[in-house]
Amino acid sequence: AQSVTQLDSHVSVSEGTPVLLRCNYSSSYSPSLFWYVQHPNKGLQLLLKYTSAATLVKGINGFEAEFKKSETSFHLTKPSAHMSDAAEYFCVVGSGNTGKLIFGQGTTLQVKP
Amino acid sequence: DAGITQSPRHKVTETGTPVTLRCHQTENHRYMYWYRQDPGHGLRLIHYSYGVKDTDKGEVSDGYSVSRSKTEDFLLTLESATSSQTSVYFCAISESGERTDTQYFGPGTRLTVL
Repeated sequence: AQSVTQLDSHVSVSEGTPVLLRCNYSSSYSPSLFWYVQHPNKGLQLLLKYTSAATLVKGINGFEAEFKKSETSFHLTKPSAHMSDAAEYFCVVGSGNTGKLIFGQGTTLQVKP
Repeated sequence: DAGITQSPRHKVTETGTPVTLRCHQTENHRYMYWYRQDPGHGLRLIHYSYGVKDTDKGEVSDGYSVSRSKTEDFLLTLESATSSQTSVYFCAISESGERTDTQYFGPGTRLTVL
């Protein structure tokens, strides 16, 4: 069975400092992993996805994530936070052959001026 | 942005009344999904469809039914709404349904059951 755990429910950073949002997964086979972002009162937007190609995945808006099989992790990073990055972030694992997604509980990113 | 609309965007209803939410896509994608979002739970799958008239249950399907009579429309019905169904509902679409496939989400419907 697939599952995903986001290790922090809330992360606060100052503008211009690095961002790290942590995600661990469990999968009985080679996983497909996604990061989505949700700005307040908006739908979800795909940031990036891993599908067994390169382990370092680059996404939109300067975000990237590294797939580490030995650590079963898929942490999201950004070198320098911007005020517009304040949002909720979801780590997601793909399940089965019907496109079902298993969502983490979400991490709220606060960016302070 | 993927061509996905949801209607209504906001609805307030009373316990025991039926409610239907609509998801409409212009992408001609085969797979469509309904999720609910609640604090501390992320998004949870209610039902999904893999073609016209082909649907299946997700992890939180009790109290919900769906129908898909056309490729572009996927309806979610609460037969008799309860306060526990107060939530934000999202529709999503994907092209192939493979676990590597990206799902694109609609803007959401905020439902309040009094």
